[in-house]
Amino acid sequence: QQQVKQSPQSLIVQKGGISIINCAYENTAFDYFPWYQQFPGKGPALLIAIRPDVSEKKEGRFTISFNKSAKQFSLHIMDSQPGDSATYFCAASRGDYKLSFGAGTTVTVRA
Amino acid sequence: KAGVTQTPRYLIKTRGQQVTLSCSPISGHRSVSWYQQTPGQGLQFLFEYFSETQRNKGNFPGRFSGRQFSNSRSEMNVSTLELGDSALYLCASSFPGSEQYFGPGTRLTVT
Repeated sequence: QQQVKQSPQSLIVQKGGISIINCAYENTAFDYFPWYQQFPGKGPALLIAIRPDVSEKKEGRFTISFNKSAKQFSLHIMDSQPGDSATYFCAASRGDYKLSFGAGTTVTVRA
Repeated sequence: KAGVTQTPRYLIKTRGQQVTLSCSPISGHRSVSWYQQTPGQGLQFLFEYFSETQRNKGNFPGRFSGRQFSNSRSEMNVSTLELGDSALYLCASSFPGSEQYFGPGTRLTVT
């Protein structure tokens, strides 16, 4: 039973464009929502995280939007660059351990 | 500050054998979590250790076990290996209640 559903499975964006990845969760006890970036052959790297007391968090070109009532959150990558080509995972947990991950989105940025 | 290290990075084993993987957390981190990553099932939580005690366990058979030492280093063991155990095994460390940082993983292939 997948507790976090992520879409799309893959996306292609032109350099300078915006990448949007969406996630939905069912467990209302979740209170921590991180996003991870993973390159081939590497472990996931923490990108940005949000807690449900805020609706948006921005760090550089990466923004998380959070909708508690809809139980959805999304990652926006602004001004996408070829170096952003990677697989992105959303996750959720109660507390900061036992992360439940989405299935991942492979982002390809075309130069 | 050095990141999470995992050894070995690659491993090939035969069905029925057992394997031990090692994880050294970031200095000062006392919580260590293990995850299994496969193309079919994605990233799945195995277990989490804090102060040498298992605090959380995922839905994996008893063949999967782990432990943590007094210096916070952790090992996981898989006994009676099956072909389906082929995966990337990831270790993540954190301070209690803070973000998890992943190591590069151990790629286990079971033949």
